[in-house]
Amino acid sequence: GESVGLHLPTLSVQEGDNSIINCAYSNSASDYFIWYKQESGKGPQFIIDIRSNMDKRQGQRVTVLLNKTVKHLSLQIAATQPGDSAVYFCAENIDKVDYKLSFGAGTTVTVRA
Amino acid sequence: DAGITQSPRHKVTETGTPVTLRCHQTENHRYMYWYRQDPGHGLRLIHYSYGVKDTDKGEVSDGYSVSRSKTEDFLLTLESATSSQTSVYFCAISESKGYGAQHFGDGTRLSIL
Repeated sequence: GESVGLHLPTLSVQEGDNSIINCAYSNSASDYFIWYKQESGKGPQFIIDIRSNMDKRQGQRVTVLLNKTVKHLSLQIAATQPGDSAVYFCAENIDKVDYKLSFGAGTTVTVRA
Repeated sequence: DAGITQSPRHKVTETGTPVTLRCHQTENHRYMYWYRQDPGHGLRLIHYSYGVKDTDKGEVSDGYSVSRSKTEDFLLTLESATSSQTSVYFCAISESKGYGAQHFGDGTRLSIL
C-alpha cells in the first residue's frame, strides 16, 4: 500500500541552527498533511498542517513546504532549541471520505548544545 | 493540551486474557480514533468512531473491538490478548472530519507476556 515516509531516521542539529526535516509521500491524491512532534513518553503533538492547495505555511518558528510535483513535504524549524529534541512525523490524509491519516516512521531530532 | 485521558497508562497482562483500554475526552469532539505504535511501523489505525455507536475498522483491526456508548468515551478491547499486541496504544480525537488535526492522548503502554 501507499505510505508516508521520511528521508532520514535521525538528524543531529546544533542549537541555534535551522533544522530541515523531510518527508516523501506516495499518494498523489492526498490533499492534507500534518506534522507532529512526539517527545519521549508522550503522545504526538500537532505542530502545523497544510492543504494541497498551498505550497507553504508558516507558524511560530516553523515552516512547512509542500512540493506536489515530487510529492515532498518538509518541516523547517528556525533557531533550533534543546526543547525541539523529539521524534517528528509527517502524516497525510489518505482517505478523503473517512479522514484517515497515514503516518511515516519518524525522524529523531537531537539538538546539540 | 487537548482534554484526552487514557487509562490505564501502563498495563502488564498474560496471553489469553481480555484487556480494555479507555479513552476519555472533555472536548466534546465527535471523531475518535485508536492507534498502535510499534518500532519501525509508525502509528497504525486500529478502529475509529464518528459518533455514538458509529464505529469502523482501520488497517490493523484483527483481534480488537471497540465501543462508544457516550460521546466522551471510546473503549478498545482485546478479546484475548496475544504477545503480538504488545504495543503503545494512542487515542486521538478530532473536531472535524477532513481538514483538521487529530489530537492525541499520552498513550497506554501494554505488555502481554
